[in-house]
Amino acid sequence: NAGVTQTPKFRVLKTGQSMTLLCAQDMNHEYMYWYRQDPGMGLRLIHYSVGEGTTAKGEVPDGYNVSRLKKQNFLLGLESAAPSQTSVYFCASRTGGRETQYFGPGTRLLVL
Amino acid sequence: GESVGLHLPTLSVQEGDNSIINCAYSNSASDYFIWYKQESGKGPQFIIDIRSNMDKRQGQRVTVLLNKTVKHLSLQIAATQPGDSAVYFCAASVSGTYKYIFGTGTRLKVLA
Repeated sequence: NAGVTQTPKFRVLKTGQSMTLLCAQDMNHEYMYWYRQDPGMGLRLIHYSVGEGTTAKGEVPDGYNVSRLKKQNFLLGLESAAPSQTSVYFCASRTGGRETQYFGPGTRLLVL
Repeated sequence: GESVGLHLPTLSVQEGDNSIINCAYSNSASDYFIWYKQESGKGPQFIIDIRSNMDKRQGQRVTVLLNKTVKHLSLQIAATQPGDSAVYFCAASVSGTYKYIFGTGTRLKVLA
């Protein structure tokens, strides 16, 4: 049981490039989340999903898109990366019946 | 808007002493709270949670206290060990919603 995994662990992008971050969970959780973590700030919600095929915007969704084609996977896309998107990105998941979120190890993204 | 804040950005304690990390939240409707531990370069790790119908909950070497009157919760770590060195942050949520508000974290340093 791997829990929540994220790919890649680290990536450097140039401004304007695109990439996709992958989150996978093997706990059969319904809810999945993408957060970003910046120095001096709490985790901020980018997008979330309450089930396969559903997505919704969080508090900082601009510049990101997501997809949840399979229950176990939640993808975060950056279509045209900007330096302001330099951050550490965390994926989390939880069941519908309990609010405890479980986090992945994170993806460090540097946009030059 | 809603906020969750910690009182101290850094806390230094001697090995073997007890540690107390405090957190304040602003939304009186919050009824579920989580404490996370985050080691350097890793994702947040669940420590303990508490619902608003409780004032206290104990785990292994950890205790969470909730004071709904002043919207404050604390995490107590007994007999602090070097392995407890990390950033600790709390999160508040309203049951039935997707949203969690995260604090910025207190860095706990354990002195030998």
